[in-house]
Amino acid sequence: SQQGEEDPQALSIQEGENATMNCSYKTSINNLQWYRQNSGRGLVHLILIRSNEREKHSGRLRVTLDTSKKSSSLLITASRAADTASYFCATDDFNKFYFGSGTKLNVKP
Amino acid sequence: GAVVSQHPSWVICKSGTSVKIECRSLDFQATTMFWYRQFPKQSLMLMATSNEGSKATYEQGVEKDKFLINHASLTLSTLTVTSAHPEDSSFYICSARDLRDQETQYFGPGTRLLVL
Repeated sequence: SQQGEEDPQALSIQEGENATMNCSYKTSINNLQWYRQNSGRGLVHLILIRSNEREKHSGRLRVTLDTSKKSSSLLITASRAADTASYFCATDDFNKFYFGSGTKLNVKP
Repeated sequence: GAVVSQHPSWVICKSGTSVKIECRSLDFQATTMFWYRQFPKQSLMLMATSNEGSKATYEQGVEKDKFLINHASLTLSTLTVTSAHPEDSSFYICSARDLRDQETQYFGPGTRLLVL
């Protein structure tokens, strides 16, 4: 990818379990955002975390940001089958907006 | 909420023809729009950054003569795939940055291009 790698590339879990995805990036950023994409569809914005923030919550989502390591993680708690999708991190320096390589999450009912 | 539209949503064309894709911000003004392409099972790759009234900035490896970008107004940017070939078949997505809020950008639903 243009900005960084996400791991794992694919993750398969049972409904009710937690899912953690990690994102590493290369350059300085103003904020980092997470998106989900269902197969062949458009993007859905999940959460934004600014460079001066370390952790943010939104419903079942928890995002952390470590600018010293240039990494972020997305935790989805109590996963549901409907969470099955691809998840992408994206970095914003107010000039360019790059996406990570993505994690494909499969939540089995 | 703010909406970005893309037209057409899908297009099939013959090899050698040119295809124009429109990206419109419907209820806000956007000084900056981004164009991405996405191959199956891959991430979104930024192709170019389009600024209203100036030339687009292309990412390394993206041919500017192949992918013509015009950002004529604060609500419209167009991407023209010139002399399309089968390898140009892809999902093209635009996004628009809200003039009033630099942190916020909105993504279009995408245009699926199939070149035969």
